[in-house]
Amino acid sequence: EADIYQTPRYLVIGTGKKITLECSQTMGHDKMYWYQQDPGMELHLIHYSYGVNSTEKGDLSSESTVSRIRTEHFPLTLESARPSHTSQYLCASSAGQANTEAFFGQGTRLTVV
Amino acid sequence: AQKITQTQPGMFVQEKEAVTLDCTYDTSDPSYGLFWYKQPSSGEMIFLIYQGSYDQQNATEGRYSLNFQKARKSANLVISASQLGDSAMYFCAMRGPDNTDKLIFGTGTRLQVFP
Repeated sequence: EADIYQTPRYLVIGTGKKITLECSQTMGHDKMYWYQQDPGMELHLIHYSYGVNSTEKGDLSSESTVSRIRTEHFPLTLESARPSHTSQYLCASSAGQANTEAFFGQGTRLTVV
Repeated sequence: AQKITQTQPGMFVQEKEAVTLDCTYDTSDPSYGLFWYKQPSSGEMIFLIYQGSYDQQNATEGRYSLNFQKARKSANLVISASQLGDSAMYFCAMRGPDNTDKLIFGTGTRLQVFP
């Protein structure tokens, strides 16, 4: 069973609020990822990290930001939430070897009203 | 650029029957990895099976097997003896050789198993 956790699972918040989605893993993985997924659609990579103090933007442009101060923690922040940010956000980590899978958290379903 | 294509938006299968979910990929890199994930309605992504581009044999994991045809660039998932609990979205994904190990996903196939 994967040891990667996301909080909250569900969040309904008003427009203009600042939010932080938490993601933590206890597997010691250097590589972590944030994906955005609309219902029934594919996953799009929005951020990734090679390790501490390393962050890169993914293939899909996002107004969110991330930080990686500790290996186990990779939070995602939206400074001012908008209805267009309504989506599911999935955090993942991997050991970084070619034949190993990425482990996913349970996701955060964000609704901005 | 790498790309994953899943052409079946939805599939139906009767319980205890086998079903094949299609996946084709496009890459110019000689080294790559292919993954299948299951996503139930609860939203989490569950890893099912992995196939490396240099693997000589098709991968198998319990009731899951991967029909890997390298020349055709296809990596179809075969689920044998379907169960009601197999009803979910299934995503094919590719990992490239670059150091980021990013996974690129297809659009998914919704599988429904009926009694």
